[in-house]
Amino acid sequence: QKEVEQDPGPLSVPEGAIVSLNCTYSNSAFQYFMWYRQYSRKGPELLMYTYSSGNKEDGRFTAQVDKSSKYISLFIRDSQPSDSATYLCAMKANQAGTALIFGKGTTLSVSS
Amino acid sequence: DSGVTQTPKHLITATGQRVTLRCSPRSGDLSVYWYQQSLDQGLQFLIQYYNGEERAKGNILERFSAQQFPDLHSELNLSSLELGDSALYFCASSVGAGFLDIQYFGAGTRLSVL
Repeated sequence: QKEVEQDPGPLSVPEGAIVSLNCTYSNSAFQYFMWYRQYSRKGPELLMYTYSSGNKEDGRFTAQVDKSSKYISLFIRDSQPSDSATYLCAMKANQAGTALIFGKGTTLSVSS
Repeated sequence: DSGVTQTPKHLITATGQRVTLRCSPRSGDLSVYWYQQSLDQGLQFLIQYYNGEERAKGNILERFSAQQFPDLHSELNLSSLELGDSALYFCASSVGAGFLDIQYFGAGTRLSVL
């Protein structure tokens, strides 16, 4: 079992839809959770990060962490064609020398 | 633009060859990370350097090596290349080496081994 599982999609939605992207993980030591967005032929860019459990909102984006279920989500409200990209979840344990572990990414396409 | 510069953007080479990928971190960042991204494995951490010293090691093959120079730029050396080494190689940088430090990624180098 991989440490981080993410449905690769692709996920296709119409403009304006609410999008839900999810990851599950197996390592209970993970405490730092991030979502990166990667456009085609570009490097990943950080969208949001949360530490431990709870919700965090930034504009149209909301990140949720449920440590009891080892499940994290990213919600995108009022999705736009410019949101079409691959979304990568990433997480890290609170230990020196540990690496950021990424999911394989979910490809999202928002049609106008 | 993340401020992390990677060169070259694209590299085409043959099996058995050796290549060097270069990364310049954001101004002020002391940590550099190298990742490999392939379709089947996703984004995999290779190695981290902090202020010239190796800080963490991931799934880096023995044929691969890296270093960080006094001016903080880093190079990833890949030798005895195999077809399976074809992938996107990303460099990221962060201010420090703490677990909360945000990593900023470059645009990557696409390596094609023929």
